[in-house]
Amino acid sequence: GAVVSQHPSWVICKSGTSVKIECRSLDFQATTMFWYRQFPKQSLMLMATSNEGSKATYEQGVEKDKFLINHASLTLSTLTVTSAHPEDSSFYICSASDYGYTFGSGTRLTVV
Amino acid sequence: GNSVTQMEGPVTLSEEAFLTINCTYTATGYPSLFWYVQYPGEGLQLLLKATKADDKGSNKGFEATYRKETTSFHLEKGSVQVSDSAVYFCALSSYSGGYQKVTFGTGTKLQVIP
Repeated sequence: GAVVSQHPSWVICKSGTSVKIECRSLDFQATTMFWYRQFPKQSLMLMATSNEGSKATYEQGVEKDKFLINHASLTLSTLTVTSAHPEDSSFYICSASDYGYTFGSGTRLTVV
Repeated sequence: GNSVTQMEGPVTLSEEAFLTINCTYTATGYPSLFWYVQYPGEGLQLLLKATKADDKGSNKGFEATYRKETTSFHLEKGSVQVSDSAVYFCALSSYSGGYQKVTFGTGTKLQVIP
């Protein structure tokens, strides 16, 4: 079945630094990938839709300059959290559409 | 806009008990409906799906039927196991603004005790 690999699975960074999260579709091509954020005890919130070869579409309230998304190929999308702060600490999950929605394993970001 | 409402948890059941997790939705058009499961420390996994009214999705003993008349997609399992302990998310996908979007419920934590 379709597999989405997300890396890293967890990361701790200092406040003010940037962190890049990768999302790869391993056995299918994904023209569209999605980035979600999950707050504790809350649902997944769609942050942006990543389109291969074009700019990402951000949901209302998501800072484009803070959460940079690049979808350079049909199998790779990256999310870069720039100048991270403790309030950016969260669980980030990507997904790609094949016959359903396949999710990555998620990245736990902790900003200290 | 679209929305998904599912019962609050946690739901605590004894092993071999019957499980129902309610899910209702609001959407325009004809959305596809999904149940996802998130085991502790892991990402989401698709559990089952249904793409049109009256479809029944099933997997690993779990079932859910797409009921358009009641806008519901309740998850059921006849006999739960300890290994079923996880958070379950109901979700729908539909086209909005020219592209497909997925809307999730808040998740229901299931705890199965031996």
